[in-house]
Amino acid sequence: AQSVTQLDSQVPVFEEAPVELRCNYSSSVSVYLFWYVQYPNQGLQLLLKYLSGSTLVESINGFEAEFNKSQTSFHLRKPSVHISDTAEYFCAVTKGGSEKLVFGKGTKLTVNP
Amino acid sequence: GAGVSQSPSNKVTEKGKDVELRCDPISGHTALYWYRQSLGQGLEFLIYFQGNSAPDKSGLPSDRFSAERTGGSVSTLTIQRTQQEDSAVYLCASSFFSGGRTGELFFGEGSRLTVL
Repeated sequence: AQSVTQLDSQVPVFEEAPVELRCNYSSSVSVYLFWYVQYPNQGLQLLLKYLSGSTLVESINGFEAEFNKSQTSFHLRKPSVHISDTAEYFCAVTKGGSEKLVFGKGTKLTVNP
Repeated sequence: GAGVSQSPSNKVTEKGKDVELRCDPISGHTALYWYRQSLGQGLEFLIYFQGNSAPDKSGLPSDRFSAERTGGSVSTLTIQRTQQEDSAVYLCASSFFSGGRTGELFFGEGSRLTVL
């Protein structure tokens, strides 16, 4: 069965600092990988995804994630965070050809002034 | 509306009572998911509907939980004889293609269930 591990439950950072939210998955077959974000008092929304092709994927608001097959990781990074990035971030994985999307337990990112 | 609609947004019930949670997906979306979000537990998969195929019920935690999807659209999640550990936010999501292939699930804002 697929599983997703988000190593940090909470990450506090200062504004304009870089951040990395870690995600590891368990699978020996091809996978699709995703990051979802949940802003305070809002529903979840897709941030970015890796299906195939370039291992580095980017979002419109400056986040990026790199698929690393050898390390089974899909860490989320941003070189300079804003207060508005404060949210909970969820990593998710599905096995190629499977419909079930499995989520990690989430990482709460708090950006302080 | 344009998004996934869930009702009620909040439900407080007494232990042992039955509850029904409703999800109205985005029009035309063929796939519908239910997840449960508990504090510190992330999103727990419950059930998945895709078109006319048999639903994937592998995530339902017990036989007190059931779900149906009528006419390929609206879905109802029913919890019988509620227990305090059922307290959580129940999230519904829908997608046009098989969500697992694209990852583009559109989520509702959830139904917060509190069992006293």
